[in-house]
Amino acid sequence: AQSVTQLGSHVSVSEGALVLLRCNYSSSVPPYLFWYVQYPNQGLQLLLKYTTGATLVKGINGFEAEFKKSETSFHLTKPSAHMSDAAEYFCAVGGSQGNLIFGKGTKLSVKP
Amino acid sequence: SQTIHQWPATLVQPVGSPLSLECTVEGTSNPNLYWYRQAAGRGLQLLFYSVGIGQISSEVPQNLSASRPQDRQFILSSKKLLLSDSGFYLCASGQGGTGELFFGEGSRLTVL
Repeated sequence: AQSVTQLGSHVSVSEGALVLLRCNYSSSVPPYLFWYVQYPNQGLQLLLKYTTGATLVKGINGFEAEFKKSETSFHLTKPSAHMSDAAEYFCAVGGSQGNLIFGKGTKLSVKP
Repeated sequence: SQTIHQWPATLVQPVGSPLSLECTVEGTSNPNLYWYRQAAGRGLQLLFYSVGIGQISSEVPQNLSASRPQDRQFILSSKKLLLSDSGFYLCASGQGGTGELFFGEGSRLTVL
């Protein structure tokens, strides 16, 4: 069975600082991995996804994530945080029914 | 790309009243459809999924039911709401395989 663990329910960074949101997964098959962002009272928007191929995946809004099989990790990074990055971020792994299995989310705060 | 419409956006209902949340999809045909519930600090919980008209699978036993009367319509219902049914309900659409899910804007249900 697949599962996702997001380390840190809240992360706070200063504007311009590095953003690092951690995600570890468990999967009995080669995983398909996703990061989504959610702004208050809105649906989820895809940031990036890993299926096969290059392990460093670039997404929208300057985010990227690296798939590390040996560490079962898929951490999300952005070199320089912007105020507009404040949101909740969800890591997900593909499930057996075409669904996604989500972590509990990490709320990112960006301080001016 | 796909567009997912959900309504109503917000709903306040008394305990014991019925519920109907509707989701329609544009921009694709024969999608897999999903209902998720989001509770604070608990991530997204998959409630139901459907791979075709009239085909509904439930992931967790609960007070809710789902129906898919048309290819791109997915309805979440309850005959008698409980306080524990409060939450943010998200409809999602996907094509299975390695693809991502597209989400609607959500319906926030408060049961009083």
